[in-house]
Amino acid sequence: KAGVTQTPRYLIKTRGQQVTLSCSPISGHRSVSWYQQTPGQGLQFLFEYFSETQRNKGNFPGRFSGRQFSNSRSEMNVSTLELGDSALYLCASSLWVDRDETQYFGPGTRLLVL
Amino acid sequence: AQKVTQAQTEISVVEKEDVTLDCVYETRDTTYYLFWYKQPPSGELVFLIRRNSFDEQNEISGRYSWNFQKSTSSFNFTITASQVVDSAVYFCALYSGAGSYQLTFGKGTKLSVIP
Repeated sequence: KAGVTQTPRYLIKTRGQQVTLSCSPISGHRSVSWYQQTPGQGLQFLFEYFSETQRNKGNFPGRFSGRQFSNSRSEMNVSTLELGDSALYLCASSLWVDRDETQYFGPGTRLLVL
Repeated sequence: AQKVTQAQTEISVVEKEDVTLDCVYETRDTTYYLFWYKQPPSGELVFLIRRNSFDEQNEISGRYSWNFQKSTSSFNFTITASQVVDSAVYFCALYSGAGSYQLTFGKGTKLSVIP
């Protein structure tokens, strides 16, 4: 079974640009969540989607948005990039069995904003 | 507000030693979930465990064990007979916030297992 895939793996953008990152969950997983990891702020939760609906959102400005498609693939978008958006963006898909959850993470997309 | 404290920034142990990683959390909610994750040098996060606030039973999985104590708001993680492959950054996280759940991570503990 294929794992969680994230594309692209690496990305370089300049300030003011926008970027879209993609996450394909493991087949059959309906929940996808996104995280940002930076040296300064550590790991932070961005959003969680389940069956195309955003269930939870972290404390990020409106420049950060996301969506989930009917096939459970998810995208996140960051508009008007700032230097501080340089980070590793991680995506996870979740499998729920009897109210118990197991998360599987992708390799991440490393974004550098110049 | 939710908070997770991992007071140990870095720990070094010699292979085969046991090591405990501490996690202390703060929340006003009665329903919450606690997690541990591992991030090896490769960078990919690995989910280790999820525990809900109503289940205080200790968990053992191979060389890993978790001790959840609501009385001290702690969810500590012990690795028995550590191995070099256990070298990684370990994160504890709290999922709480009735009505608007947030997942809050600790700063992580870097574990180095020396052969």
